[in-house]
Amino acid sequence: QLQLQESGPGLVKPSETLSLTCTVSGGSISTNNHYWGWVRQPPGKGLEWIGGIFYSGNTHYNPSLKSRVTISVDTSHNQFSLKLTSVTAADTALYSCARHYYDAGGFYEFDTWGQGTLVTVSS
Amino acid sequence: QSVLTQPPSVSGAPGQRVTISCTGSSSNIGARYDVHWYQHLPGTAPRLLIYGNNRRPSGVPARFSGSKSGTSASLAITGLQADDEAVYYCQSYDNSLAVVFGGGTKLTVL
Repeated sequence: QLQLQESGPGLVKPSETLSLTCTVSGGSISTNNHYWGWVRQPPGKGLEWIGGIFYSGNTHYNPSLKSRVTISVDTSHNQFSLKLTSVTAADTALYSCARHYYDAGGFYEFDTWGQGTLVTVSS
Repeated sequence: QSVLTQPPSVSGAPGQRVTISCTGSSSNIGARYDVHWYQHLPGTAPRLLIYGNNRRPSGVPARFSGSKSGTSASLAITGLQADDEAVYYCQSYDNSLAVVFGGGTKLTVL
């Protein structure tokens, strides 16, 4: 059974870079019909898509966050990672990784999610 | 402010039927992008409930169904059960090249 697990620091200082890794188990990250994505949920608010990556390295970012986001993939370790630069308190959120179905027609549903990890931005 | 609009809360008694709406625009749902629905319980991973507007993944009971018309979509839950109490989110895609979500609807089983 496919499982995704987020890891990384739970506390980041303002203006610094948030870094998280998602480890995929129970299946390969190198599949032709999936992007591997990040979604966040600020406290008391709804879900916000951050972006995703194909195993080849192709990326797709939320235009509103694109200038600060980098997503990378490590197929040898079945992992993908998120970096968000110049963070502020507004970036405090539960960050989740998820598998995103994709084909030539575009992007579709997130069919498997990690449980999420809370990242707080505070000095 | 979420791109897709959902009611903040709905409620129903056990055994009843409830619906949750998801309203978008001509640049997302109305642009013929599919709508998907998730069930989220605090402290757990979101669960895919409906994909492709009205398809259920294996293991999701037939009590859950989805529909889409124009710039809106709906999730219907029949035969409400206590463990249906959760937050439900809709999701689609937008011509701005972004995945978009609704703000979430908290379902309370009375």
